Amino acid sequence: EADIYQTPRYLVIGTGKKITLECSQTMGHDKMYWYQQDPGMELHLIHYSYGVNSTEKGDLSSESTVSRIRTEHFPLTLESARPSHTSQYLCASTNRGSSGRLVEQFFGPGTRLTVL
Amino acid sequence: KNQVEQSPQSLIILEGKNCTLQCNYTVSPFSNLRWYKQDTGRGPVSLTIMTFSENTKSNGRYTATLDADTKQSSLHITASQLSDSASYICVVSDRGSTLGRLYFGRGTQLTVWP
Repeated sequence: EADIYQTPRYLVIGTGKKITLECSQTMGHDKMYWYQQDPGMELHLIHYSYGVNSTEKGDLSSESTVSRIRTEHFPLTLESARPSHTSQYLCASTNRGSSGRLVEQFFGPGTRLTVL
Repeated sequence: KNQVEQSPQSLIILEGKNCTLQCNYTVSPFSNLRWYKQDTGRGPVSLTIMTFSENTKSNGRYTATLDADTKQSSLHITASQLSDSASYICVVSDRGSTLGRLYFGRGTQLTVWP
């Protein structure tokens, strides 16, 4: 079991609210990711970070923002939530690949967000 | 266009039976292929990772095969259990030393009935 945590697990909020989804890992991984997943659909990368003070946008356009002030912490923020933001958000981190060892990606349990 | 296609979209089997899930990909260059199990409301958990040179890899009752020539992979589940009910996701990476770009399939939703 990977040591990567997400809170809250479930969140129901009203339109226009500001929210922050928390993600933390205790494995010392430099690389962290945020994915968005709708039911029956593939995961879409929305943000990633290769280390402290490094953040990049992913493939799927997202109105959310991220920060990486500490290695272990990678929060995602929505300034003004809308119903279109309703989805499952998955955080992930990867170890460092080395000779003979493939890079592995570990996922958190996810946050199910519902915006009314 | 780099894509990962999985079939069937959903599958229902009886407890104790075997099943095989399919994954076809067009990702190039190819580095490795992963199968993940995702329980409802949870994050994906890695089952197997295979590189270009590997044809088969097992993890308990799960056996993955890879044919890099035809760009096909399968995940065989033996003697299914109720706890096998989940979505099984095929993921292809185009680089090895760094994570590179990951291409996700939509998953096969497996339901095991008693």
